Amino acid sequence: GDSVTQMEGPVTLSEEAFLTINCTYTATGYPSLFWYVQYPGEGLQLLLKATKADDKGSNKGFEATYRKETTSFHLEKGSVQVSDSAVYFCALISGGGADGLTFGKGTHLIIQP
Amino acid sequence: GAVVSQHPSRVICKSGTSVKIECRSLDFQATTMFWYRQFPKQSLMLMATSNEGSKATYEQGVEKDKFLINHASLTLSTLTVTSAHPEDSSFYICSASGQGAVRYEQYFGPGTRLTVT
Repeated sequence: GDSVTQMEGPVTLSEEAFLTINCTYTATGYPSLFWYVQYPGEGLQLLLKATKADDKGSNKGFEATYRKETTSFHLEKGSVQVSDSAVYFCALISGGGADGLTFGKGTHLIIQP
Repeated sequence: GAVVSQHPSRVICKSGTSVKIECRSLDFQATTMFWYRQFPKQSLMLMATSNEGSKATYEQGVEKDKFLINHASLTLSTLTVTSAHPEDSSFYICSASGQGAVRYEQYFGPGTRLTVT
């Protein structure tokens, strides 16, 4: 079956540091890939997505590129802020898109001032 | 963006009782709703998918008689945990997608923390 593996946290960085959260996946066919973010006390929000190989999703300074050859979708940001502290989930949908998401375990990111 | 609410946000119940959790799409019509369960420090696990007016489709290993799902309207789905036991304690999250939504995009509710004593 489908699965998503992402680096476990917590990841602690200083403000303005470079961020990478690794995500790799196993799926049948050609999945669509997502990063969701969960701020404290709130529901999951879609951060960015990519629906085919070599697509780059971007939002709020975050980027991730769909790499089919390495089955990866690593999340990056050049300069993190304290407000980026949250839990980040990598996820995928395979098949026709009518199915639920398969999630990674989540990475807790802590940004210190 | 689209808003999904859940009620209650927290519930504590005694073993053997039933608990109903509501999931509402506030500003769009949700043709499909999903129910997930999240254990501490674990990923979200899909429990079931429900389409408005149809029976829910349950994932392997999820007891459909224990976790009753109803999606009677385009804005409301309910999850009822019947005869709850301590092992049912978890964080339950719903999501919705629907008419006019970007393909594949699901909007998540804030979750419901269930504690069974």
